[in-house]
Amino acid sequence: NAGVMQNPRHLVRRRGQEARLRCSPMKGHSHVYWYRQLPEEGLKFMVYLQKENIIDESGMPKERFSAEFPKEGPSILRIQQVVRGDSAAYFCASSRPGVSGDEQYFGPGTRLTVT
Amino acid sequence: AQSVTQLDSHVSVSEGALVLLRCNYSSSVPPYLFWYVQYPNQGLQLLLKYLSGSTLVKGINGFEAEFKKSETSFHLTKPSAHMSDAAEYFCVVSESDTGRRALTFGSGTRLQVQP
Repeated sequence: NAGVMQNPRHLVRRRGQEARLRCSPMKGHSHVYWYRQLPEEGLKFMVYLQKENIIDESGMPKERFSAEFPKEGPSILRIQQVVRGDSAAYFCASSRPGVSGDEQYFGPGTRLTVT
Repeated sequence: AQSVTQLDSHVSVSEGALVLLRCNYSSSVPPYLFWYVQYPNQGLQLLLKYLSGSTLVKGINGFEAEFKKSETSFHLTKPSAHMSDAAEYFCVVSESDTGRRALTFGSGTRLQVQP
């Protein structure tokens, strides 16, 4: 059973370009979470999605950031018009449907560098 | 609202020595508590979790943690450190009875193990 998959693992974008990060959850998992890790810091929650629904986006920046989890295919975190401050590691996690407290399984992350 | 404080950003121990990583939390509702480990350039792996019941929780790789409600602490211990334990460790809290699934991470403790 493959774990959570993220691609690309490394992404370099120039300021003003768009970044698209992909996450495929573990088989049987219908809940996806995105977290951002700035250098020397812990992870910060961004958004929680179920298929075709955004459940909690309280950690998402108000502008330039969006996320989706379509009925078919991976979850996408999209950052428009990237700036240097967006450089970070972005982690996706997934969990089973059910009660809270279930383990979130993390992917290897996408390291975004904005030049 | 909830928060996590990891009291030491770096801990260095000798191989075979006791490992103690300290964590205090703040939560307005009964918490779920977790410890995750992150190896260099990898995703995060769950070490152990406390949801309810016994306050002493045993995890993988010989780690354990004790939930102390009166001290709002969830310190991680291992009796004898191994070189392979060198990694970043994150104490994590989530809300137990609100349905909110976002994880709140501490800033991390980097564990070094000296030969």
